[in-house]
Amino acid sequence: SAVISQKPSRDICQRGTSLTIQCQVDSQVTMMFWYRQQPGQSLTLIATANQGSEATYESGFVIDKFPISRPNLTFSTLTVSNLSPEDSSIYLCSVEHFNNRLKQFFGPGTRLTVL
Amino acid sequence: LAKTTQPISMDSYEGQEVNITCSHNNIATNDYITWYQQFPSQGPRFIIQGYKTKVTNEVASLFIPADRKSSTLSLPRVSLSDTAVYYCLVQSPDNQGGKLIFGQGTELSVKP
Repeated sequence: SAVISQKPSRDICQRGTSLTIQCQVDSQVTMMFWYRQQPGQSLTLIATANQGSEATYESGFVIDKFPISRPNLTFSTLTVSNLSPEDSSIYLCSVEHFNNRLKQFFGPGTRLTVL
Repeated sequence: LAKTTQPISMDSYEGQEVNITCSHNNIATNDYITWYQQFPSQGPRFIIQGYKTKVTNEVASLFIPADRKSSTLSLPRVSLSDTAVYYCLVQSPDNQGGKLIFGQGTELSVKP
């Protein structure tokens, strides 16, 4: 199994600022995924991040608001820009199992509160 | 993508067997059924996956009837620590590039 860490674990930010969330994996992985989980809701996929290429965003999510970096096979960042209270959520990254694309390992999440 | 329908919540008592059924009427031939568990303040955790009939591991069993239009996650002798949200997913490894699409999930509450 992959071990995933996220930083920060939680943060409180002011409206209009940005937060960058880091995701570190203990092994090299091809694809990394970023999810958002709004309070009391299920998970929604934001984007898929492949090393060496632009991230692929899901409907309703745009690069200007959620820029993603994937500089190597063990690390990715998600930035949530121009924060508003509606961005208050838990943000999670995940990676695929090395031989089962439908089995993923998730990080512990980053709890963002926007005031 | 096949839509899944699960009960929003279920209650149980310690030591009981819990069965959570998921409906997926539009499941495609290549689709697999996967269940994840999520505790509060944690990311989801893979529990079990199957294609047909029955799959069992150290945590749970997954029952899939022949028509595959539903599946049942069975948790034997639950304890308080099994209180969590359980998600049923139907995905094809061929078409979605590994993306997971989560439904609403079932919030299981285990009481002493």
